[in-house]
Amino acid sequence: DQQVKQNSPSLSVQEGRISILNCDYTNSMFDYFLWYKKYPAEGPTFLISISSIKDKNEDGRFTVFLNKSAKHLSLHIVPSQPGDSAVYFCAAELSGSARQLTFGSGTQLTVLP
Amino acid sequence: DADVTQTPRNRITKTGKRIMLECSQTKGHDRMYWYRQDPGLGLRLIYYSFDVKDINKGEISDGYSVSRQAQAKFSLSLESAIPNQTALYFCATSDTGTLNEQFFGPGTRLTVL
Repeated sequence: DQQVKQNSPSLSVQEGRISILNCDYTNSMFDYFLWYKKYPAEGPTFLISISSIKDKNEDGRFTVFLNKSAKHLSLHIVPSQPGDSAVYFCAAELSGSARQLTFGSGTQLTVLP
Repeated sequence: DADVTQTPRNRITKTGKRIMLECSQTKGHDRMYWYRQDPGLGLRLIYYSFDVKDINKGEISDGYSVSRQAQAKFSLSLESAIPNQTALYFCATSDTGTLNEQFFGPGTRLTVL
């Protein structure tokens, strides 16, 4: 039973527009959330994170929103660029788990020029 | 130079063979992790280690063993490989400080025939 779900396996967006990637979780004990980006033949790289005590965190073109009551988070990329084309993984950390991460299945983002 | 390296990058082996995947890091992190990635399932934790004397099982440790030879080295072994262990394997490290992010190696693609 997946505790972190990314229900959209793929997303295509036009260059310059907004990309919105979604993630849902079931365990209310998750207290930290991260987004990773992965290019082919490379390992995942950290993108942005958010603590459960916040509802928004912004870093340049990337913003993560957390809705605890809905157990939902989203990653917004504005404006989207062709270099953003990659697989995006949502991950969650359990309170007191000493940095064990539970990953979603990933969303392939394609930004069209 | 890469901070987290994995060898080999690709490996094809036969059912029943013993195989070792190696991970080295120059980040000076105490914590190291092994994950596998399967299509549609994201990354799942196999084993993790908080220091040389501390080894812990993750979500899917059956059929695997690990060795933490030094702070910088963490090896994953498949004692008797089976076809459903065909996957992409990632090593990761993290600091014991305030940052929650993990840093991933480039991955090893393992095929068990």
